[in-house]
Amino acid sequence: GAVVSQHPSWVICKSGTSVKIECRSLDFQATTMFWYRQFPKQSLMLMATSNEGSKATYEQGVEKDKFLINHASLTLSTLTVTSAHPEDSSFYICSARDRVRVYQETQYFGPGTRLLVL
Amino acid sequence: AQTVTQSQPEMSVQEAETVTLSCTYDTSENNYYLFWYKQPPSRQMILVIRQEAYKQQNATENRFSVNFQKAAKSFSLKISDSQLGDTAMYFCAFLTQGGSEKLVFGKGTKLTVNP
Repeated sequence: GAVVSQHPSWVICKSGTSVKIECRSLDFQATTMFWYRQFPKQSLMLMATSNEGSKATYEQGVEKDKFLINHASLTLSTLTVTSAHPEDSSFYICSARDRVRVYQETQYFGPGTRLLVL
Repeated sequence: AQTVTQSQPEMSVQEAETVTLSCTYDTSENNYYLFWYKQPPSRQMILVIRQEAYKQQNATENRFSVNFQKAAKSFSLKISDSQLGDTAMYFCAFLTQGGSEKLVFGKGTKLTVNP
């Protein structure tokens, strides 16, 4: 149980285009989903926290107009990188908290999405 | 603000031996959770073990166990009978109970298990 998927697993796009990444909780409902960014050989950096049906909360320094987050249902959150540039190239990871097992305070992670902007 | 420190950027161990990864944290909170996550070359984050701060008993999961020292704010991970599949980055993480839902991660320790 507690499986989180991400799609696509990797994407290459041209500079200036927008890219959408999906994060789905497959066997549970997620009260909260989180989006992280990870640079090579570094730790995870939290970008934003999203709750179903409400606006995402962005971390300091993260451009909300650049990284659009939508959490339309209890099983799906999307991250859209708008007008992507080479510096946006990175590994993006989502995680989700189980609505039922919320007392466990555990985040379950997706497999990540590699984004390369040319 | 909470901080998590992993002082060992890299470690190596021989297959079948035991290795301990260190983690210290700084917080003024009394109720919180601590986690060890593993990130193998596939980069999938996998929960290894979880500890509630109010529990004095150290958590164990098969070959993985922790040494939780609340007063010292220390949370080390012991891997027994190391296997080649244990080769990965290991991240220590902190979460405040009932407060912010944000996980605070350490910088990670790269563990290599040698045959």
